[in-house]
Amino acid sequence: QLQLQESGPGLVKPSETLSLTCTVSGGSISSSNYYWGWIRQPPGKGLEWIGSMYYSGSSYYNVSLKSRVSTSVDTSKNQFSLKLSSVTAADTAVYYCARQLGGVFGPWGQGTLVAVSS
Amino acid sequence: EIVMTQSPATLSVSPGERATLSCRASQSVGSNLAWYQQKPGQAPGLLIYGASTRATGIPARFSGSGSGTEFTLTISSLQSEDFAVYYCQQYNNWPSWTFGQGTKVEIK
Repeated sequence: QLQLQESGPGLVKPSETLSLTCTVSGGSISSSNYYWGWIRQPPGKGLEWIGSMYYSGSSYYNVSLKSRVSTSVDTSKNQFSLKLSSVTAADTAVYYCARQLGGVFGPWGQGTLVAVSS
Repeated sequence: EIVMTQSPATLSVSPGERATLSCRASQSVGSNLAWYQQKPGQAPGLLIYGASTRATGIPARFSGSGSGTEFTLTISSLQSEDFAVYYCQQYNNWPSWTFGQGTKVEIK
């Protein structure tokens, strides 16, 4: 059974870079046809797609975040990562990683809350 | 960007009753529409994709319909475990995937 687990700091200072890693178990991140995505959810609000990447390295980002987002994949560790630069309080959210087939997300990691505060 | 609008924001339903949730796209997304269920404190889980295909393990009381810009998620007989927030998501516009704001199904 495929499982995903997010990890990273729960608190980031304004203007700094948020860094998260998603570890995939029960399956290979190098599987063809699957992308690997990041989605976030501010407290009490809805879902926002951040970006998606293929194991080869090709990536797509939400236009609204594109200038601040970068992603990477480490196939040897079966992990993929997210970096979001110049964070503000508006970036406070639960960050989820998920497998993506076509444009459909599932399964999802349990999520990790990242607060932006000094 | 395709904007997804869900209605109502909150739906109050008694256990055993039928729930009907709506999702509208700002432009046609064909049948490239998914529904997710999110329970408090949990990650969303895939319910429906392709507008009407249930994901693995999803009970038959969940059904999806629609195409183009108008979509419906129906829960035929609400069980206690179905009270949650439901999100629709379009995936027709590659690579720009967008979610609705969610409909909360609460106990009446």
